Amino acid sequence: DAGITQSPRHKVTETGTPVTLRCHQTENHRYMYWYRQDPGHGLRLIHYSYGVKDTDKGEVSDGYSVSRSKTEDFLLTLESATSSQTSVYFCAIGAANYGYTFGSGTRLTVV
Amino acid sequence: AQTVTQSQPEMSVQEAETVTLSCTYDTSENNYYLFWYKQPPSRQMILVIRQEAYKQQNATENRFSVNFQKAAKSFSLKISDSQLGDTAMYFCAFMKPLAGGTSYGKLTFGQGTILTVHP
Repeated sequence: DAGITQSPRHKVTETGTPVTLRCHQTENHRYMYWYRQDPGHGLRLIHYSYGVKDTDKGEVSDGYSVSRSKTEDFLLTLESATSSQTSVYFCAIGAANYGYTFGSGTRLTVV
Repeated sequence: AQTVTQSQPEMSVQEAETVTLSCTYDTSENNYYLFWYKQPPSRQMILVIRQEAYKQQNATENRFSVNFQKAAKSFSLKISDSQLGDTAMYFCAFMKPLAGGTSYGKLTFGQGTILTVHP
């Protein structure tokens, strides 16, 4: 969807290195979300933001941090990547009354 | 915590036929939303249909309709006149508003059902 973009689309990194994924929106949504997708688990919430500098944890937040210094940008950081963080990461914006919109996802491989 | 269960890991259907995907959820909330998302091989998450729990009428979107049974905590998706382009992973999702009177909230997803439409 044109209103939300994620970068990079693919990334391979080594164990122990820091990684930052970016989510950018042009819709001026207050809430933004980071999910990870793994086989057999569907999508699980990592962190979410309800405004600039306002963030909270989701169900699988260990090993991840986030930052939101501007309404349009929500960053997800893996401080020291591990193999268990190999996954597909999705950013989302929106609300229930008009539907959530997802970015195209980032496939991260930690070797 | 809410849980969402999709008991059918894989389903298949012939083109032009009808198929129903199952979803059950567990919650003690009265006000919530339910969604079905489609994920084709492109990986994009596409909203198929949504249902507000306070509405008794089942939602419909063209060939897609739901059977929402609130007391049974069931939310199945029916796809009529299946098309090859319907081949995808389908996710059921539950959302409880974070604050009263708002529609913002965290989605809880089921494990997904892979649907294959055969010609």
